[in-house]
Amino acid sequence: DVKVTQSSRYLVKRTGEKVFLECVQDMDHENMFWYRQDPGLGLRLIYFSYDVKMKEKGDIPEGYSVSREKKERFSLILESASTNQTSMYLCASSLTLVNTEAFFGQGTRLTVV
Amino acid sequence: DAKTTQPPSMDCAEGRAANLPCNHSTISGNEYVYWYRQIHSQGPQYIIHGLKNNETNEMASLIITEDRKSSTLILPHATLRDTAVYYCIVRVRDDKIIFGKGTRLHILP
Repeated sequence: DVKVTQSSRYLVKRTGEKVFLECVQDMDHENMFWYRQDPGLGLRLIYFSYDVKMKEKGDIPEGYSVSREKKERFSLILESASTNQTSMYLCASSLTLVNTEAFFGQGTRLTVV
Repeated sequence: DAKTTQPPSMDCAEGRAANLPCNHSTISGNEYVYWYRQIHSQGPQYIIHGLKNNETNEMASLIITEDRKSSTLILPHATLRDTAVYYCIVRVRDDKIIFGKGTRLHILP
């Protein structure tokens, strides 16, 4: 079974802190994605990566950056956390960009206080 | 923007077939229709996808109209565990996976 693992299920950080959310997949997938999910807004794509060291902006990249130094790991970075970044963050991976399904992690619920 | 339209919520009696509609009138010839669902407090789970032919797997069936402008996801014998938000997705530019608001399916005992 494909496994997408997010490093934390729950996280509480202070305003202004630098926050790292880690995601690891174990199936040699080319593509990885970061979403955030908020009530009433659904899942929104922050960034995705289709190869090591490659990244593309999604619909809401502001306030975030990403890092993909190894194929299996995709990190989401909040350079200076703010309260409006309190959200559920979901990581996903897929083998190719088309005609294959994406597998999601369980999510990290981040609270910025 | 999500390129699909789904009803915000639906009810279905336990044991009956749940038929979830999706409109995607601007779909282009090489775009696939995907369905995912998200059970409360979990990450989305892939269900099924198709291009133009109807598809069936152990979870569900996908019926795509001949003009490909709409589709229906069928859960043949709904159970309480099928209560979830169901997302219909069409792969759009750059092949990003863009989620809409989905349909909240309530299975009634």
